[in-house]
Amino acid sequence: DGGITQSPKYLFRKEGQNVTLSCEQNLNHDAMYWYRQDPGQGLRLIYYSQIVNDFQKGDIAEGYSVSREKKESFPLTVTSAQKNPTAFYLCASSTGQGGTYEQYFGPGTRLTVT
Amino acid sequence: LAKTTQPISMDSYEGQEVNITCSHNNIATNDYITWYQQFPSQGPRFIIQGYKTKVTNEVASLFIPADRKSSTLSLPRVSLSDTAVYYCPGPPEAGNMLTFGGGTRLMVKP
Repeated sequence: DGGITQSPKYLFRKEGQNVTLSCEQNLNHDAMYWYRQDPGQGLRLIYYSQIVNDFQKGDIAEGYSVSREKKESFPLTVTSAQKNPTAFYLCASSTGQGGTYEQYFGPGTRLTVT
Repeated sequence: LAKTTQPISMDSYEGQEVNITCSHNNIATNDYITWYQQFPSQGPRFIIQGYKTKVTNEVASLFIPADRKSSTLSLPRVSLSDTAVYYCPGPPEAGNMLTFGGGTRLMVKP
């Protein structure tokens, strides 16, 4: 089955700790994205990557970091500098080609920091 | 960034047809219009895409007028399981980056 996997589904951390969220895709997509969603709100873009070893900041990149060492993987690290890290985090991928607007989303990781 | 405008919420009853309209600001000549559906605690999923006039699939229909400044997502005979948030993101920016607003929260009642 092709798709995007995110793990874990639920994650709990203490304040001040860095935490890394996993995102893997086997769709052979070039582009990958990380979004944050707060309760009752829409999606906000954190980082995106159009190709391996390249990524750009989205609207709310402060306090987050990413890497793209492999086409299939785009992990997101939530650092202790992120002031309000508790949220639902969604990873997505697309072919990245113009005219194809479909993004495929993973199931999400709900992060709770106390 | 290109933005879209859609109602924050809508209520309906089972068996009714639901129409959700989205206004498309700054849509370009070659931009497609897409809609996504999101259930609670899940990632959004793409449901339909169109360029002009009408597109229909097994999930919904999409109506786009000639001026393409708006689009209407039509869900025929909704059921309780259609309760979800529906998004019409703006056209992609660099890197196929989509801008998702708050979406329309559809509540289907029995």
